[in-house]
Amino acid sequence: GENVEQHPSTLSVQEGDSAVIKCTYSDSASNYFPWYKQELGKRPQLIIDIRSNVGEKKDQRIAVTLNKTAKHFSLHITETQPEDSAVYFCAAVIFFSGGYNKLIFGAGTRLAVHP
Amino acid sequence: KAGVTQTPRYLIKTRGQQVTLSCSPISGHRSVSWYQQTPGQGLQFLFEYFSETQRNKGNFPGRFSGRQFSNSRSEMNVSTLELGDSALYLCASSLAGNLGKDTGELFFGEGSRLTVL
Repeated sequence: GENVEQHPSTLSVQEGDSAVIKCTYSDSASNYFPWYKQELGKRPQLIIDIRSNVGEKKDQRIAVTLNKTAKHFSLHITETQPEDSAVYFCAAVIFFSGGYNKLIFGAGTRLAVHP
Repeated sequence: KAGVTQTPRYLIKTRGQQVTLSCSPISGHRSVSWYQQTPGQGLQFLFEYFSETQRNKGNFPGRFSGRQFSNSRSEMNVSTLELGDSALYLCASSLAGNLGKDTGELFFGEGSRLTVL
């Protein structure tokens, strides 16, 4: 069946370093790729997303890249800070006509940024 | 605009009991999804409701059920609780189905943390 693989499951970096999280999806009909951040004890929240007609999107220190041919997309965080420590979830979404979405989450990456 | 509200936030039950969790979506959102999150685990999809109809269901036993009311509020029920049902249950609402307005974003509630003893 359809799935989204996310790697690594845990990531530990020093403050100021970069962090990269990678996801691979199986359903080529996927056309929307959001990333959610869940801080400890908090709700997941959307931090950045990319649509299938775009190859890269940046928002300050975070960026997302998409390779539709390879069915890969990645989250890049530069100049990491302790407040970036959280669990990050990628997702692949298919928009169907009639307003139905099918969303599949990756398993999550626990990022720890050490001062 | 108020966010997604889940009640209760915390609850403790014993094995064999049943539990009902409630979710009030953001005003105007007609799609409500439920997820189970256990420690160290990801977001396991339970089901999604739209206009009082279940549109999609995850791979959970029949002890897990849900419903949606005409005001889009949703409830999920777990019967005959097992120790393994201890988890954070997250509800998310979205504009899915609101043609022309759906961005694809899910808005999560704070969750209901269930402990089964």
